[in-house]
Amino acid sequence: EAQVTQNPRYLITVTGKKLTVTCSQNMNHEYMSWYRQDPGLGLRQIYYSMNVEVTDKGDVPEGYKVSRKEKRNFPLILESPSPNQTSLYFCASSSMGQGKNIQYFGAGTRLSVL
Amino acid sequence: AQSVTQPDIHITVSEGASLELRCNYSYGATPYLFWYVQSPGQGLQLLLKYFSGDTLVQGIKGFEAEFKRSQSSFNLRKPSVHWSDAAEYFCAAVSGTYKYIFGTGTRLKVLA
Repeated sequence: EAQVTQNPRYLITVTGKKLTVTCSQNMNHEYMSWYRQDPGLGLRQIYYSMNVEVTDKGDVPEGYKVSRKEKRNFPLILESPSPNQTSLYFCASSSMGQGKNIQYFGAGTRLSVL
Repeated sequence: AQSVTQPDIHITVSEGASLELRCNYSYGATPYLFWYVQSPGQGLQLLLKYFSGDTLVQGIKGFEAEFKRSQSSFNLRKPSVHWSDAAEYFCAAVSGTYKYIFGTGTRLKVLA
């Protein structure tokens, strides 16, 4: 089954404790992306990647890191989480090229930073 | 700056009534356009997309959207709403830079 898998689904942590949210897709997609969703703000793109070892900043990259060492994986790293990073996070992937940019989303990771 | 605007934060309709959710975009060139639906506690599901061609796009669950270049709009419509359509709806756009921009969402409530 084609899917985007995020782990964990729920995470409670404390300020400053490094964490990683994993994202994996089994569709051989070139494009992967991370979003955060906050009430009243919709989804905002954090980082995206168009291929292995190629990453770019989205609209809200501050406080986040990503890596794309393998095509299927795109982990989101919070080196020193802060309470303002409490949010619902989504990973997505898609093919690239004209007419192929349909994103498939993971189920989401709800993060609370205390 | 590029943007996607959904002017209506909340919309309430009666079951069986028609629905229109508004979406306006601001881009230098016409982007690819999408509508997604998010049920409570769920991820996002694609309803429909516009890449080019026919300006009236059919999607899943009986939804359609019309692209109007002159108005920079991509409004979502459904002729008869069902109670199961209650959810949050997001319009999104992407251009050649591959940076996606989402609207802030419209929460739909359906009255029995």
